[in-house]
Amino acid sequence: EAQVTQNPRYLITVTGKKLTVTCSQNMNHEYMSWYRQDPGLGLRQIYYSMNVEVTDKGDVPEGYKVSRKEKRNFPLILESPSPNQTSLYFCASSPSGQSAPFGYTFGSGTRLTVV
Amino acid sequence: GNSVTQMEGPVTLSEEAFLTINCTYTATGYPSLFWYVQYPGEGLQLLLKATKADDKGSNKGFEATYRKETTSFHLEKGSVQVSDSAVYFCALRSSTGGFKTIFGAGTRLFVKA
Repeated sequence: EAQVTQNPRYLITVTGKKLTVTCSQNMNHEYMSWYRQDPGLGLRQIYYSMNVEVTDKGDVPEGYKVSRKEKRNFPLILESPSPNQTSLYFCASSPSGQSAPFGYTFGSGTRLTVV
Repeated sequence: GNSVTQMEGPVTLSEEAFLTINCTYTATGYPSLFWYVQYPGEGLQLLLKATKADDKGSNKGFEATYRKETTSFHLEKGSVQVSDSAVYFCALRSSTGGFKTIFGAGTRLFVKA
């Protein structure tokens, strides 16, 4: 089944404790992206990657890191989480970033709480 | 910069009522337009898309037409069902500059039996 898999689904952590949210897709998509969803703000892009070893900042990159060492994986790293990073996070992928008309396939989301 | 504005919710309808959720956009170039749906506890799913002016996207009884003259992409369905209760997001994918996708704030739809 074609899918984007995120782990974990739920995570409660303490301020300052480094964490990684994993994202993997099995569709051979070149383009991958991370979003956060907050009430009243819709989805905001954190980082995106147009291909292996090519990443760029989205609209809200502060406090986050990403890497794209393999085509299928695009982990999101919070080096020192803070309470304002409490949110619902989504990973998404699509075919080639060189062509706009493709929609995303989304993961099921990771609900992160930082206390 | 590019932006998407959609009507605020929640929208509450009775089963078999007609649905319209308004969406307007501002963009440079020739963006593609999308509607996504999010059911409780799930990720977003692509509902329909349109890639150029006057294109009509359709899926599962939902339709939306890419109107360049009014910069709109309104979502419609002739007869809603309880199972259509969800949050609907209008989105724009740029044709330039990293092909970023921008989402509207979402409109929650409740359908009563």
